[in-house]
Amino acid sequence: SAVISQKPSRDICQRGTSLTIQCQVDSQVTMMFWYRQQPGQSLTLIATANQGSEATYESGFVIDKFPISRPNLTFSTLTVSNMSPEDSSIYLCSVGLGGTDTQYFGPGTRLTVL
Amino acid sequence: LAKTTQPISMDSYEGQEVNITCSHNNIATNDYITWYQQFPSQGPRFIIQGYKTKVTNEVASLFIPADRKSSTLSLPRVSLSDTAVYYCLVTLMNTGFQKLVFGTGTRLLVSP
Repeated sequence: SAVISQKPSRDICQRGTSLTIQCQVDSQVTMMFWYRQQPGQSLTLIATANQGSEATYESGFVIDKFPISRPNLTFSTLTVSNMSPEDSSIYLCSVGLGGTDTQYFGPGTRLTVL
Repeated sequence: LAKTTQPISMDSYEGQEVNITCSHNNIATNDYITWYQQFPSQGPRFIIQGYKTKVTNEVASLFIPADRKSSTLSLPRVSLSDTAVYYCLVTLMNTGFQKLVFGTGTRLLVSP
């Protein structure tokens, strides 16, 4: 398994601003993922961030809105840009240790946009 | 649009066996089926994973029929601490593309 931390754990932001969420892993991993989980809903994959390549975005998510960095094998950031209240959600990072379907998740970042 | 569906909620009592089924008609051929448990304000936690037939570990069993279009998570003798939301995770085929999809989630409530 892996120990994953996220910063911040929660934030309240004004519309039109941007927030960068950090994800730190205690071991080197190739595959990292970013998810969004709206209140009471399941998880939706935003993008896959593998070190050494550009992030791959899922349908409905674009790089301009959710730019991702992956500077090394233990760290990644997700930025939520030009936020609106509809972006209020929990954002989670995960790492794939045994493949894409064996993932270990961070605790999540609860974002509220006013 | 390919989907992964689960019952919205289930109720049980301590000591009973609970079976949660996930339907995934368009599952990709070569990928595993994985189940996660999520408590409030936490990220999902890996429970069990399988490809076909039956898999058992120290906390659960996973039953997968031959056509792999569904899977059933079995929790033996649940306790109050098993109250959580349970998700399946599969790779679905959708118009030639593969997509990693979480199920809709099942909220399990275990009562004394």
